[in-house]
Amino acid sequence: GENVEQHPSTLSVQEGDSAVIKCTYSDSASNYFPWYKQELGKGPQLIIDIRSNVGEKKDQRIAVTLNKTAKHFSLHITETQPEDSAVYFCAANSNDMRFGAGTRLTVKP
Amino acid sequence: DVKVTQSSRYLVKRTGEKVFLECVQDMDHENMFWYRQDPGLGLRLIYFSYDVKMKEKGDIPEGYSVSREKKERFSLILESASTNQTSMYLCASRTGTGRRDEQYFGPGTRLTVT
Repeated sequence: GENVEQHPSTLSVQEGDSAVIKCTYSDSASNYFPWYKQELGKGPQLIIDIRSNVGEKKDQRIAVTLNKTAKHFSLHITETQPEDSAVYFCAANSNDMRFGAGTRLTVKP
Repeated sequence: DVKVTQSSRYLVKRTGEKVFLECVQDMDHENMFWYRQDPGLGLRLIYFSYDVKMKEKGDIPEGYSVSREKKERFSLILESASTNQTSMYLCASRTGTGRRDEQYFGPGTRLTVT
C-alpha cells in the first residue's frame, strides 16, 4: 500500500520568510495530493491540492509542486504570517488516502 | 461549503463504558471515514464506509465498530472503552463519483478515557 513520509516534523520561521514542507510517496498509482492545515483544537482543513497531470499549482501565498518521477511533492508558503502557524499534513491518494505524520509550523513575529 | 459535523468536541468516559461518536455530512458523499490522531503518529484510519450499511476495516479497527444506517451519518462505537483509546477522533467524508477526490474533515472529538 501507499506510504507517505513528511519532513520536517517541526519548522520555525521568521514572519515574512518562506516555509517549505516536503513529502514523498511510494505508490506510483497515486494521482491526487492534497495538503491540509490543522489549527489548534480544530479538524484539518483542505488548503490546496494537486493532481498527477499537473506539475505546479499556486493559490496566493501557497503553492504545491509535484515531481512524479521522483515521487515527491512540496508545499511552499511565501511571506509567512503568524496566522500560518499550524500543523500541516500532506496526503497521497491511489485507492485510499494516506497521510504524512504532519509538520508543526511556527511563524515568529 | 461541505459541512462535516461531529456530535461532541470533548468527551470524558470511564473504562469499560460503551461510547458512541456521531458524524454527519451534508454533501451527499458516498464515502465516510473515521481516523484517530495521536502525537507523532499522524492520522490512522480506523474504519471507512463507501455506502449505506457497508463498512471496511482500516489500519487499526481493533476495539472499534461502526454503523452506517443512513448516507449522511457514520457512527464510531467503542464497545468497551479503554485508556489506550484516549485520542482525538476525526471523521471525514468524500464523494465517490468521478474525479472529485477532495476529502473533508469534521472538527474532531477529543475523547479521554479514565
